[in-house]
Amino acid sequence: QKEVEQDPGPLSVPEGAIVSLNCTYSNSAFQYFMWYRQYSRKGPELLMYTYSSGNKEDGRFTAQVDKSSKYISLFIRDSQPSDSATYLCAMRHNAGNMLTFGGGTRLMVKP
Amino acid sequence: EAQVTQNPRYLITVTGKKLTVTCSQNMNHEYMSWYRQDPGLGLRQIYYSMNVEVTDKGDVPEGYKVSRKEKRNFPLILESPSPNQTSLYFCASSLWGAEEKLFFGSGTQLSVL
Repeated sequence: QKEVEQDPGPLSVPEGAIVSLNCTYSNSAFQYFMWYRQYSRKGPELLMYTYSSGNKEDGRFTAQVDKSSKYISLFIRDSQPSDSATYLCAMRHNAGNMLTFGGGTRLMVKP
Repeated sequence: EAQVTQNPRYLITVTGKKLTVTCSQNMNHEYMSWYRQDPGLGLRQIYYSMNVEVTDKGDVPEGYKVSRKEKRNFPLILESPSPNQTSLYFCASSLWGAEEKLFFGSGTQLSVL
């Protein structure tokens, strides 16, 4: 079993829909939780990060961490075709510097 | 413009022919790292460096070498490439202590025949 699990998709939604992307993990030592966005033929770019539990909002994006369930989510409101990309969750221990990535979920937002 | 630059973007080579993929960052970052990305396996760390002359193995270091002689450069060396090293490679950097905020290069697609 992988340390971080993510549904590969693809997830196809109409423009304007609310999108929910999720990851589960098994290692309770993870303290930093990140979402990276990767467009086709590009490197990943950091979208959001949270430390420990709770919610964080940035414009149309909301990141949620539930450490008791070992479950993190990224919500995208009013999704746009420009949001079409692969979304990677990533996690890090407090003590270490290595990130553990999920396999990514491919999102397609149709006009 | 702040960026991580990798070269080349695409590389086709044959088994056993030594190659180097270059990586350079202009953000004065201490931490640099190499990843490979394979379908279904996600991003896996190959090697990382905390600063000049300090390198360490990641999850999948076999068959790779790195060096960090200057702060801005972190080349990845494949001494004797094999077909199982065909992959998409990314270099990334960050400030020390902020490794969750990685800046990635645009990637190098390597095919080993």
